[in-house]
Amino acid sequence: DAKTTQPNSMESNEEEPVHLPCNHSTISGTDYIHWYRQLPSQGPEYVIHGLTSNVNNRMASLAIAEDRKSSTLILHRATLRDAAVYYCILRVTGTASKLTFGTGTRLQVTL
Amino acid sequence: DAGVTQSPTHLIKTRGQQVTLRCSPKSGHDTVSWYQQALGQGPQFIFQYYEEEERQRGNFPDRFSGHQFPNYSSELNVNALLLGDSALYLCASNSEGLNTEAFFGQGTRLTVV
Repeated sequence: DAKTTQPNSMESNEEEPVHLPCNHSTISGTDYIHWYRQLPSQGPEYVIHGLTSNVNNRMASLAIAEDRKSSTLILHRATLRDAAVYYCILRVTGTASKLTFGTGTRLQVTL
Repeated sequence: DAGVTQSPTHLIKTRGQQVTLRCSPKSGHDTVSWYQQALGQGPQFIFQYYEEEERQRGNFPDRFSGHQFPNYSSELNVNALLLGDSALYLCASNSEGLNTEAFFGQGTRLTVV
């Protein structure tokens, strides 16, 4: 399984944008980049995914480098409710859809 | 839509015992995966069920087994419990197909004493 590298933790002020980086230098051509987050005492929650082009949804934006070796999850205005562990995951190809989690980035949001 | 539901929410077992955890997938989903999450770690893939068959398995011993029923619900069984099996067990469901989002339940917190 291709691996991802993320910072262990990041801090942000409320109402400020947050850029969460992820390196995936061994990504294969057909691996999708997925982001999930896990709030305290809850199961992981899907955030966004993409292949090559930048993606936007109601929760966040995903910026993918041209060589696909890195990506950035962007929260446009962090709130206290965004405090969670964010996981960057490369989805393996084929019919199986398992997710290979790393240790993720713990995001702290302060007033 | 109730989403993914797991039962029980918490469980305490003694070493050597056996345990069964249950999962009902989100309505319309036919694929169920199980994950183990130790404290401070990311979830680790145990196995996945589709069409009542185990389709893929992670690096877990045979003490971990599962089943999927015709209504797509699933069970995770762990035999001969060890202290190290204490963890949050998560169930995730999604529709068959590449790169569809997975929906997770709240998990079952298993404590082995």
